[in-house]
Amino acid sequence: NAGVTQTPKFQVLKTGQSMTLQCAQDMNHEYMSWYRQDPGMGLRLIHYSVGAGITDQGEVPNGYNVSRSTTEDFPLRLLSAAPSQTSVYFCASQGQLKETQYFGPGTRLLVL
Amino acid sequence: AQKVTQAQTEISVVEKEDVTLDCVYETRDTTYYLFWYKQPPSGELVFLIRRNSFDEQNEISGRYSWNFQKSTSSFNFTITASQVVDSAVYFCALSGEMNNQGGKLIFGQGTELSVKP
Repeated sequence: NAGVTQTPKFQVLKTGQSMTLQCAQDMNHEYMSWYRQDPGMGLRLIHYSVGAGITDQGEVPNGYNVSRSTTEDFPLRLLSAAPSQTSVYFCASQGQLKETQYFGPGTRLLVL
Repeated sequence: AQKVTQAQTEISVVEKEDVTLDCVYETRDTTYYLFWYKQPPSGELVFLIRRNSFDEQNEISGRYSWNFQKSTSSFNFTITASQVVDSAVYFCALSGEMNNQGGKLIFGQGTELSVKP
């Protein structure tokens, strides 16, 4: 099993550009989440999903869209990138509520 | 509302010292889960432990131990005889079971541990 994979590992965008951060898991997990990590602020939840077709907002959803068309994939879309979205993004998945949440390796995003 | 507080932003110790990382949480859920993750300089998040709210037994895993006390809403992490390889940022996190909170972790701000030789 590859676990949780994320692509790309690093990306530079200009203000106003759009892009999609990819996340996939091969563990048949129901729950998937996106977090951003900023210095001194820990990880903050952007969006999460409790199953295919079901998504909801986390703590910092503005500027991001998600969809969950399959159990395996949970892409995060930035429609119009802003410098405030410069961050490290982590995707995570979890099988059941009682289980551990596993994280992907992260995507480092720089918006100029 | 749920909240996790790690009051220690940075800790520096000399190798072989014992060190305790503090974690205080807030939640109204009766069923919840607490986690510790390690983030080494390479950046990945490594799972260390999960504890549910009904299990207050302390746990020991090698040089690592965890002290869960519901009475003080704390879930502290102790590293015994610290080593340079323990240098990392450590995160405490909370997940509740009510209101369809699956997939949602609330993280503390993290504690950066530096172990000097």
